[in-house]
Amino acid sequence: AQSVTQLDSQVPVFEEAPVELRCNYSSSVSVYLFWYVQYPNQGLQLLLKYLSGSTLVESINGFEAEFNKSQTSFHLRKPSVHISDTAEYFCAVSRSGGTSYGKLTFGQGTILTVHP
Amino acid sequence: NAGVMQNPRHLVRRRGQEARLRCSPMKGHSHVYWYRQLPEEGLKFMVYLQKENIIDESGMPKERFSAEFPKEGPSILRIQQVVRGDSAAYFCASSPRGQGNLNYGYTFGSGTRLTVV
Repeated sequence: AQSVTQLDSQVPVFEEAPVELRCNYSSSVSVYLFWYVQYPNQGLQLLLKYLSGSTLVESINGFEAEFNKSQTSFHLRKPSVHISDTAEYFCAVSRSGGTSYGKLTFGQGTILTVHP
Repeated sequence: NAGVMQNPRHLVRRRGQEARLRCSPMKGHSHVYWYRQLPEEGLKFMVYLQKENIIDESGMPKERFSAEFPKEGPSILRIQQVVRGDSAAYFCASSPRGQGNLNYGYTFGSGTRLTVV
């Protein structure tokens, strides 16, 4: 079984400041890792994913996350946030390989609030 | 190509009534997953279905909850005799294939927000 811990329930930052949303996971098998974003009253949108290859993955809107296997972490970072980044962010894992079928285990979520 | 469609967006039920939540997957997607988001919590897996088959229902409560994905029509999540604790957002996701599907994408709908009064 897998578990995900998002260490911060709320992160307030000012516009143009850098931000890091922390995610740690626990699993006895290899995993795929994801970050999803949820804007108010909307569904989840995939922000970025790590399946294999380079441990640093990037999204089209400036977010990046680095898979650190030794620390079992997948922290999300952005060097300069915008007001429009205000949303709830969820880290998720899924076991990889074998009979994996995409069942996701989510963290509790981190609410990012960007202040002007 | 429409995304995953869920309806209704909002549903209010009195205690003891039945709730039916519908999910139409993306065109070409034959795998459907239901997740529940309780207030202040992350999403929790409920059930995974393919057409006419329940593959994994390990996250479904033992009583009052059922799900189906018929050969024709949307997937239905049914909650009988709702209680206040069922109030939550219910999300559906679909994918084009099961094993190894994460390389091909996994699309969520906008959810149904169920309120039990």
